[in-house]
Amino acid sequence: GENVEQHPSTLSVQEGDSAVIKCTYSDSASNYFPWYKQELGKGPQLIIDIRSNVGEKKDQRIAVTLNKTAKHFSLHITETQPEDSAVYFCAASCKLTFGKGITLSVRP
Amino acid sequence: DVKVTQSSRYLVKRTGEKVFLECVQDMDHENMFWYRQDPGLGLRLIYFSYDVKMKEKGDIPEGYSVSREKKERFSLILESASTNQTSMYLCASSRSTLGETQYFGPGTRLLVL
Repeated sequence: GENVEQHPSTLSVQEGDSAVIKCTYSDSASNYFPWYKQELGKGPQLIIDIRSNVGEKKDQRIAVTLNKTAKHFSLHITETQPEDSAVYFCAASCKLTFGKGITLSVRP
Repeated sequence: DVKVTQSSRYLVKRTGEKVFLECVQDMDHENMFWYRQDPGLGLRLIYFSYDVKMKEKGDIPEGYSVSREKKERFSLILESASTNQTSMYLCASSRSTLGETQYFGPGTRLLVL
């Protein structure tokens, strides 16, 4: 089955800096890669996703890039703000397999 | 907007009790999912359902069962709760095609004493 890994488990950045979170996956047949943000006390919410026929997708301050050859995809957040502090999950394809999540802390 | 609701935000039960967690979605989604979330382990799929009365085991189905009698409702059942089932339980739904966006409920934090 699919195996999705996120590293590191925590990331701390200064407000205004960029944050990059990377995930790797194992199944080359995976074709859908969403990113979810989970704020304290809430369920995960989709923030951006990408399909395997696209290399990059952008939505305001967030973007996702996909490298199918290397089997990794990354979330990029620019001009980070304190409200970006949350747990971020990546997932891969079909019956979505989630990574373990990364806790992003944005220092004001 | 899609809305996924879960019957309880917090629940305290005793070992051996039968526990029902209810989930309802209002977007006529075909697929519904139950996950548990534990620190350091992320989201792990317990069961999912792709149609009424249909169910499939996820990665960690042991100790759980599910019921989907109506399209909008998906129930997770702990037949005999144990302390290692203390966790956050998240329900999600998605449209008919697997690989579509999943919409999550707010979660139920279950404590088994």
